[in-house]
Amino acid sequence: DTAVSQTPKYLVTQMGNDKSIKCEQNLGHDTMYWYKQDSKKFLKIMFSYNNKELIINETVPNRFSPKSPDKAHLNLHINSLELGDSAVYFCASSHRGTDTGELFFGEGSRLTVL
Amino acid sequence: LAKTTQPISMDSYEGQEVNITCSHNNIATNDYITWYQQFPSQGPRFIIQGYKTKVTNEVASLFIPADRKSSTLSLPRVSLSDTAVYYCLVGDMSNTGKLIFGQGTTLQVKP
Repeated sequence: DTAVSQTPKYLVTQMGNDKSIKCEQNLGHDTMYWYKQDSKKFLKIMFSYNNKELIINETVPNRFSPKSPDKAHLNLHINSLELGDSAVYFCASSHRGTDTGELFFGEGSRLTVL
Repeated sequence: LAKTTQPISMDSYEGQEVNITCSHNNIATNDYITWYQQFPSQGPRFIIQGYKTKVTNEVASLFIPADRKSSTLSLPRVSLSDTAVYYCLVGDMSNTGKLIFGQGTTLQVKP
């Protein structure tokens, strides 16, 4: 079983559309994250949820809205897509209080906005 | 948050030992040093973590000098499958989400 799974893996859409990316983790972790990786490999955190509560909300346009229905799921909805939103989006999870704070990442969702 | 600096790219050949050094001059007392590995089309994967001196696991070794202002990830006898991007992160483990990944070091292992 995949520990952190994201769907879809690839997403191609037109500017102005609305799209969602889903993430699920079966590790029993209490914290989940969304990261954005641009073409230069920089990996930037966007949001973090702990026990369904938003704890990190970096400078991200309001068009991006995360939703955590439960501890195992963190979805990302994007409104009015723009060309600059093209990137790979990674979901991750961790368990607060562990020795290493290790992050477990999904395989990524490559979003292409045309 | 401590900023890290590491080489953008490195080349090596199969069977060689590879050392990737990361600078983190502003590391704080509570900060740990963590390295992640990312293969193409995959998410980053935790490799190793340390606070001071030397840490070794089945994948790599991490050398940290006494002043902790830098660290070196050592990969023994690399193979083609070690071709990946390696990220050095510095931060407090109680605030994992604030870790900054940076641009990483792209390691290309050649036959």
